[in-house]
Amino acid sequence: SQQGEEDPQALSIQEGENATMNCSYKTSINNLQWYRQNSGRGLVHLILIRSNEREKHSGRLRVTLDTSKKSSSLLITASRAADTASYFCATVASLSGGSYIPTFGRGTSLIVHP
Amino acid sequence: GAGVSQSPSNKVTEKGKDVELRCDPISGHTALYWYRQSLGQGLEFLIYFQGNSAPDKSGLPSDRFSAERTGGSVSTLTIQRTQQEDSAVYLCASSLVSATSYEQYFGPGTRLTVT
Repeated sequence: SQQGEEDPQALSIQEGENATMNCSYKTSINNLQWYRQNSGRGLVHLILIRSNEREKHSGRLRVTLDTSKKSSSLLITASRAADTASYFCATVASLSGGSYIPTFGRGTSLIVHP
Repeated sequence: GAGVSQSPSNKVTEKGKDVELRCDPISGHTALYWYRQSLGQGLEFLIYFQGNSAPDKSGLPSDRFSAERTGGSVSTLTIQRTQQEDSAVYLCASSLVSATSYEQYFGPGTRLTVT
């Protein structure tokens, strides 16, 4: 079963609008990561947020983490057509036993119309 | 520098045949992962190699699947007696796992089609 679940499954917006995607998970985590996947390509790491952090920024990306609600959000501001892709969250469980296996959700498919 | 590479990029095989998929990780990365992605789905973890430790094979779906990592570098995923449900994109990722870094670098994947 998947640890992280993204919501919504699909999102369609106009260029210039903001896009918000959410990720919920079930067990305690060490960190949570967001990745982007363009059609037919591998995943590209966007941002990592640790369990003791609440918010991180990277360019037009803003990630929040609420460990009490076991949820994270990814905000893309001033979206561009080039942001069209699938976005995945991946969680790394609290580290006992030294296993570092990120668990991925099913992803949010974002379409940005020019 | 060079990223993670995978070969072949596409593989079409007949049901019942064996296939080998190759992954060249980023030099120096101690961790290597194999995932499977079916159309429109998330990533399904298959196997994880970390340094010289025994691999975590907990995600392999059946004993037809096996993987090796030679010399702590190149990895090969082997699927024996392929079935149509094995059709998917197989993704490899590597990372420099440390107390402060978990970022995975993915290859472009191998699209496997079993006819």
